[in-house]
Amino acid sequence: TQTVSQSDAHVTVFEGDSVELRCNYSYGGSIYLSWYIQHHGRGLQFLLKYYSGNPVVQGVNGFKAEFSKSDSSFHLRKASVHWSDSAVYFCAVRGSMGYKLTFGTGTSLLVDP
Amino acid sequence: ETAVFQTPNYHVTQVGNEVSFNCKQTLGHDTMYWYKQDSKKLLKIMFSYNNKQLIVNETVPRRFSPQSSDKAHLNLRIKSVEPEDSAVYLCASSLTGGENTLYFGAGTRLSVL
Repeated sequence: TQTVSQSDAHVTVFEGDSVELRCNYSYGGSIYLSWYIQHHGRGLQFLLKYYSGNPVVQGVNGFKAEFSKSDSSFHLRKASVHWSDSAVYFCAVRGSMGYKLTFGTGTSLLVDP
Repeated sequence: ETAVFQTPNYHVTQVGNEVSFNCKQTLGHDTMYWYKQDSKKLLKIMFSYNNKQLIVNETVPRRFSPQSSDKAHLNLRIKSVEPEDSAVYLCASSLTGGENTLYFGAGTRLSVL
């Protein structure tokens, strides 16, 4: 069984600050990890993903995430946030042999201008 | 650029009525999904179809039934809606395979009075 947890329900930062959104997973085999963003009233949009290779993956709009097998984590980071980054961010995991993408509970990021 | 189209955007109905939601994707994907997102933004997969075949069927009430006419369309019918069915229903599509990215529609918001 694959599980994913996002420990922070809400994060508030100022524009220009750096931010880290935390994601931890649990799964016994090879997995695909990804991050999605959901702006208010919209569907989810893909940000980035990891399966193998370089544990640091670059996404759109300056986002990046780092995979850590020892910590079972896939935290999302951005060096300097913009007010338009305010949204809900979802971490997701899927087993390599499965079809089902399991989402975390989401972290609502608010960027104060 | 929108490539997963959901109709209607909103639907308000009364307990016991039947509703149908439509989803179409123009990406040439072979796998489609229905997710339910509740008022706390929690996402739960309901169904997944691959080339018109049901491959994921989570534990959902029997009043929910997916319908797929071809790999580009996946509709959702709810017979006799209940108040707890109030939610946003998100349709998504992807190519076959665990690594592949999900593309989401904007969602259908259902309110059951």
